[in-house]
Amino acid sequence: EAGVTQFPSHSVIEKGQTVTLRCDPISGHDNLYWYRRVMGKEIKFLLHFVKESKQDESGMPNNRFLAERTGGTYSTLKVQPAELEDSGVYFCASSHRNWGNTDTQYFGPGTRLTVL
Amino acid sequence: AQKITQTQPGMFVQEKEAVTLDCTYDTSDPSYGLFWYKQPSSGEMIFLIYQGSYDQQNATEGRYSLNFQKARKSANLVISASQLGDSAMYFCAFSDSNYQLIWGAGTKLIIKP
Repeated sequence: EAGVTQFPSHSVIEKGQTVTLRCDPISGHDNLYWYRRVMGKEIKFLLHFVKESKQDESGMPNNRFLAERTGGTYSTLKVQPAELEDSGVYFCASSHRNWGNTDTQYFGPGTRLTVL
Repeated sequence: AQKITQTQPGMFVQEKEAVTLDCTYDTSDPSYGLFWYKQPSSGEMIFLIYQGSYDQQNATEGRYSLNFQKARKSANLVISASQLGDSAMYFCAFSDSNYQLIWGAGTKLIIKP
């Protein structure tokens, strides 16, 4: 069974440009999460999809970030326009059951975003 | 608000020795889950072990065990017979009914040959 995949693995862009990150969850996983780790800080939750619906987007930093999950399959996270403070590693995770705190989240390898 | 603390930024351990990584949490919710993840230098986040707040026994997965002390609100990870491949960052994470994981700062573990 394929794990969570993310694309690209690295992205280097200039301030003001747009970047789109993609996440493909484990097949059959209804729950999809985005997290971010900014240099020197803790990993922070961004948002949670259940199928194609946003369950919780309380961690999204501002309206420059837009997440979608087409047809309840893969998800994209777009940053437009990118700012210097958006640099970090963006992780995607997926889980199978909708049982809250008992649900193990499996992570992708992350996308390292550098904004110059 | 929930909070999770890992007090050891780094640890050096001799190969084949056991190692305990500390994790404490703060919550008023009766139902929650605690997770440990390993992040090697390659960057991926690997799930190791899970403990539920209502579980009567400490979780174990191979060489990993979780020393869960509910009254003290601690969930320390114990790695028995450490190996060179155990060198990595280790993160403790907490989850309640909000589903999202709240993360500790991590502990960098280095196993010495």
